[in-house]
Amino acid sequence: DAGVIQSPRHEVTEMGQEVTLRCKPISGHNSLFWYRQTMMRGLELLIYFNNNVPIDDSGMPEDRFSAKMPNASFSTLKIQPSEPRDSAVYFCASQFGTEAFFGQGIRLTVV
Amino acid sequence: GQQLNQSPQSMFIQEGEDVSMNCTSSSIFNTWLWYKQEPGEGPVLLIALYKAGELTSNGRLTAQFGITRKDSFLNISASIPSDVGIYFCAGDTGGFKTIFGAGTRLFVKA
Repeated sequence: DAGVIQSPRHEVTEMGQEVTLRCKPISGHNSLFWYRQTMMRGLELLIYFNNNVPIDDSGMPEDRFSAKMPNASFSTLKIQPSEPRDSAVYFCASQFGTEAFFGQGIRLTVV
Repeated sequence: GQQLNQSPQSMFIQEGEDVSMNCTSSSIFNTWLWYKQEPGEGPVLLIALYKAGELTSNGRLTAQFGITRKDSFLNISASIPSDVGIYFCAGDTGGFKTIFGAGTRLFVKA
């Protein structure tokens, strides 16, 4: 298995633009998580899905953030409009049972 | 909400030294997990603990699930430069969500 695949690896965008981050979980894993990592705040859970259904989005910082999981093999995290303070590394992780498998992360820079 | 207190925040050690880090919580967890994150990568699972009192080793790494189910520690023996990274503890209460600690940054001087 190729593991959790995230794209793009790096994204640089201008403030105010829409950003879409993509994730392909490991086949057969029924839970998917989006995390944001910064030096200041560490690893923050934004939202997680179980069987494609959003279970808890209390970590989503603002209405500018939205996430979807239209099927078991794909999820997106969208930021619209983006702001410089959104700059961070965004991780997707899929989980079967209690063990999470992380993607390599997407480094987002909003200028 | 549930929180994990991980310590120390960072460690600067000499190659060959042993390392110890721990996690505590006011909540009870069913599972404790330890992850390592290397620069430019996502966290990778090192050890999973499923039973109170359980002591598990993975090479030079040893981790224990505290008997109160509210704490766990990770030891690394005879550290080497490739041990450098951020070590996260994580706890699972039996629901869908895993709670992560803030991480311990390990620096190893050759």
